[in-house]
Amino acid sequence: GENVEQHPSTLSVQEGDSAVIKCTYSDSASNYFPWYKQELGKRPQLIIDIRSNVGEKKDQRIAVTLNKTAKHFSLHITETQPEDSAVYFCAAISNFGNEKLTFGTGTRLTIIP
Amino acid sequence: KAGVTQTPRYLIKTRGQQVTLSCSPISGHRSVSWYQQTPGQGLQFLFEYFSETQRNKGNFPGRFSGRQFSNSRSEMNVSTLELGDSALYLCASSPGDWGAYNEQFFGPGTRLTVL
Repeated sequence: GENVEQHPSTLSVQEGDSAVIKCTYSDSASNYFPWYKQELGKRPQLIIDIRSNVGEKKDQRIAVTLNKTAKHFSLHITETQPEDSAVYFCAAISNFGNEKLTFGTGTRLTIIP
Repeated sequence: KAGVTQTPRYLIKTRGQQVTLSCSPISGHRSVSWYQQTPGQGLQFLFEYFSETQRNKGNFPGRFSGRQFSNSRSEMNVSTLELGDSALYLCASSPGDWGAYNEQFFGPGTRLTVL
């Protein structure tokens, strides 16, 4: 089955700096990679996703890159703000995988004012 | 559209008891997936139901079961509770179209504590 590794487990950055979270996956059949943000006591919410036929996707201050050959993908947050503090999860799924998301172990991001 | 809802939000049980959790998906969504979230194991997939059929299953013991009704609402049952079952149980709904890139929308979760 799929295995997703995520690093780092914790990350502290100064407000205004950039943050990068990296994930690797094992199953070459995975072709859809969503990122979820979970604030304390709240539900995970999708913030950005990327399909395997795309190398990069950007949405305002958030971007995701995918390297299919190396089987890794990364989340980039620029100009970080205090409200970016949360736990971020990467995930991998095959769109023929019947909705079974395999998650990374999460990264606790803290933005230091 | 209303979001995914789960009931109850909090539950306290003792070892050996059983529990039933409920999830109402977004209107029109036919797929409901269940995940267990713990500090040690993260988010782990339990199973997925689509059109009243279990379509996929994770690596959990048979004490964990579920079902889905014709209105797509889903229930999850855990029998013979163990201390290690204490967790946040999240359900997620999606259209479930096979071959599509379906976004999964999560409910607020049910926090289960086993004493």
